[in-house]
Amino acid sequence: GAVVSQHPSRVICKSGTSVKIECRSLDFQATTMFWYRQFPKQSLMLMATSNEGSKATYEQGVEKDKFLINHASLTLSTLTVTSAHPEDSSFYICSTPGQTYEQYFGPGTRLTVT
Amino acid sequence: AQKITQTQPGMFVQEKEAVTLDCTYDTSDPSYGLFWYKQPSSGEMIFLIYQGSYDQQNATEGRYSLNFQKARKSANLVISASQLGDSAMYFCAMREALFNKFYFGSGTKLNVKP
Repeated sequence: GAVVSQHPSRVICKSGTSVKIECRSLDFQATTMFWYRQFPKQSLMLMATSNEGSKATYEQGVEKDKFLINHASLTLSTLTVTSAHPEDSSFYICSTPGQTYEQYFGPGTRLTVT
Repeated sequence: AQKITQTQPGMFVQEKEAVTLDCTYDTSDPSYGLFWYKQPSSGEMIFLIYQGSYDQQNATEGRYSLNFQKARKSANLVISASQLGDSAMYFCAMREALFNKFYFGSGTKLNVKP
């Protein structure tokens, strides 16, 4: 199946700084990328949907100015958490749909804000 | 209303026995797909099984089978001959054809006892 990579796998940053998470599709073109956030022992919550070359669509309650999503190419989507706070500490996962029903997930990025 | 409901936050099963994880869903879209994913402590999402809304047969993949009852809107996962390595979080998910989004349930933590 298709491979999606995420970088970094773990990141610790100080409160008030920004962190960029990259999601790459390694062997196919990803026109759509979903970004999820998962708090400990909870489910994956969809944050936003990015489409290559256009603005991301954010789910209700997600601050688009805080979670900047860029999908400038067919192989790279980025999520930048701006002015991070401890409550932003979470597991962030990207995924992209396949040609039929598949959904290819990245391995996730664990963000800790101190 | 919740799109996906998993009512079992935690389950225990004896090694080598079968276990059923419950999932009910809510949609008015006639075309949808139902998925089960396994998430070990590493965080990666591992695809287990898929059932399309128009599929006549219940899906099976090795030790995994999906008990699809369309009229009741349930899609329970059955794991036969449980193994210690099956201990993980299990998420039921649905993808509606109309919106191309994934909705996840709250998850079930399965513990397999030796």
